[in-house]
Amino acid sequence: RKEVEQDPGPFNVPEGATVAFNCTYSNSASQSFFWYRQDCRKEPKLLMSVYSSGNEDGRFTAQLNRASQYISLLIRDSKLSDSATYLCVVKWGNTGKLIFGQGTTLQVKP
Amino acid sequence: DAGITQSPRHKVTETGTPVTLRCHQTENHRYMYWYRQDPGHGLRLIHYSYGVKDTDKGEVSDGYSVSRSKTEDFLLTLESATSSQTSVYFCAISDQGLATSYEQYFGPGTRLTVT
Repeated sequence: RKEVEQDPGPFNVPEGATVAFNCTYSNSASQSFFWYRQDCRKEPKLLMSVYSSGNEDGRFTAQLNRASQYISLLIRDSKLSDSATYLCVVKWGNTGKLIFGQGTTLQVKP
Repeated sequence: DAGITQSPRHKVTETGTPVTLRCHQTENHRYMYWYRQDPGHGLRLIHYSYGVKDTDKGEVSDGYSVSRSKTEDFLLTLESATSSQTSVYFCAISDQGLATSYEQYFGPGTRLTVT
């Protein structure tokens, strides 16, 4: 089992749609969680951190479920510019290292 | 954007040749990392540095070595390149270490092809 698992997609949605991605992680000692965004052939950039209470940043909402060991990202009112690969990232408590999922690709269509 | 550059941006080399990739930062961040990214895999940590001349191995360090003689430069060396090392290599920096919640800033990447 991969340490961080994501559905690679692609998710093809029309503009204005709401789309959600889930990510599961295997290490219950994981301490911190993040979503990074990576555009085609570009470097990853931090989209948002994920807090235990859930957090929102504009059209983006991140949730954490420690009991089931998954995190989610919800994107409302999708824009063409949201097309990218979204990387789920988990920081392991013992080692402190970041573990990246392989990413979920989103394509927003006109 | 964080001041991180990588060189070269693209390289094609033959099996068995040595290759050195350079990461240069202007942010004076203490921590620097080398990752590789391959289809079907997430970013995987090769080596990281927590200060000048202080480095440690990541999860896929075999076949790679690193050096950091100055705060701003972190070099990744493939002593004898193999086809399995064909990949996109990203450098990253952070001003806090692995024990804290923090953001890593990534360089633009180097596409390496080993023929």
